[in-house]
Amino acid sequence: QVQLVQSGAEVKKPGASVRVSCRASGYTFTNYDIHYMRQAPGQGLEWMGWMNPARGNTGYAQNFQGRVTMTRNISISTVHMDLSSLRSEDMAIYFCARGTGGLFDIWGQGTSVTVSS
Amino acid sequence: QSALTQPRSVSGSPGQSVTISCTGTSSDVGGYNYVSWYQQYPGNAPKVIIYDVNKRPSGVPDRFSGSKSGNTASLTISGLQAEDEADYHCCSYAGYYTSYVFGTGTKVTVL
Repeated sequence: QVQLVQSGAEVKKPGASVRVSCRASGYTFTNYDIHYMRQAPGQGLEWMGWMNPARGNTGYAQNFQGRVTMTRNISISTVHMDLSSLRSEDMAIYFCARGTGGLFDIWGQGTSVTVSS
Repeated sequence: QSALTQPRSVSGSPGQSVTISCTGTSSDVGGYNYVSWYQQYPGNAPKVIIYDVNKRPSGVPDRFSGSKSGNTASLTISGLQAEDEADYHCCSYAGYYTSYVFGTGTKVTVL
């Protein structure tokens, strides 16, 4: 079945970087954009950016410019999201989702990122 | 880019209707017909229930409907059921550079 499976929970110190991975299966990986969102405890969703796996081009939300990088590995149908210079406000559940038209139709299960000294 | 504004919570009795508003600007909600709504149960990933303002994906009950007027989009749940108790998030396309913006999220409680 069509699904996105994310990497496991992470615990990082302030100032460190984290990588969240999102592996696609059940469809042609290069046919759909992958987006990343995050959700801080008790808060709404926040869109972070997108990647086109076929061409490798990306777009990032202004709030994350300079701190976020998305890359892909086509051979394993995976998009990685790297977030640097972590601070306590980055503690959240990070989701990847498949984008098609104006919606996100398939979501990963979420990855918890804890930032603590 | 500021988050779209949603009420923090709405509630209703089984069988009643509730409407959730999602207010943005002419640069997002008012500028494009790419408003989507997501239902999220605690501890789970969101699930799309409305896209392109008023379209329902296959399998979503027709008691969920969407609309838009100016810079405000709305989600209506008719014939409220216990299983509709969840968080609801709106989302709008906001142009090439900003791309997407989400709402602040609304908790629906079934009394």
